[in-house]
Amino acid sequence: QVQLQESGPGLVKPSETLSLTCIVSGDSITNYHWSWIRQPPGQGLEWMSYSAYRGSTNYNPSLKSRATMSLDTSRNQFSLKLTSVSAADTAVYYCARSGSDSGMRWGQGILVTVSS
Amino acid sequence: QAVVTQEPSLTVSPGGTVTLTCASSTGVFTSGYWAYWFQQKPGQAPRTLIYDTTKKQSWTPARFSGSLLGDKAALTLSGAQPEDEADYYCLVPYSGVYWMFGGGTKLTVL
Repeated sequence: QVQLQESGPGLVKPSETLSLTCIVSGDSITNYHWSWIRQPPGQGLEWMSYSAYRGSTNYNPSLKSRATMSLDTSRNQFSLKLTSVSAADTAVYYCARSGSDSGMRWGQGILVTVSS
Repeated sequence: QAVVTQEPSLTVSPGGTVTLTCASSTGVFTSGYWAYWFQQKPGQAPRTLIYDTTKKQSWTPARFSGSLLGDKAALTLSGAQPEDEADYYCLVPYSGVYWMFGGGTKLTVL
């Protein structure tokens, strides 16, 4: 049974870089597609990025090139870096798996607060 | 960029039936695209109910079903239970190039 676990700092200062990792257990990241999704407090879900192993990575245009997603097959995990963060980036960040007719599985999410 | 629209809120009586819809401004559902449906309860991560418009996850209760309703994707709940009160989101993956969530529907069972 695949499990996804987000990890990273819960607090980031404005203008700094937010770095998150999604640790995948129970399956190989080479077999599926992977995404980052966030949810600001009290608001809806926002898709951030999507990547398929050996495929391209796509980003929400609203992130204006601040986001970088990468897959690490040696550690079976993937990551997200978001530069120049502001209070508007305060959210619960989720990683998710999709593809291969398996639907979508979500991590439990991690709250990241941007504040000085 | 496309916009995905859902009903902001709906109310259903216990045991009743309700249909939530998901519309894309580009009308993609008539062009072979598909939808996901997620359920989210307060303080919890979203849980996938439906993928590829009609397919259920192994944990999806039988009372939930996905379909196409004209040019919209639809999630139908037949025999609503109190525990179905939640926010429901649809997601449209536009050919994997970008994805778009709907604004969500707050479903009240009352």
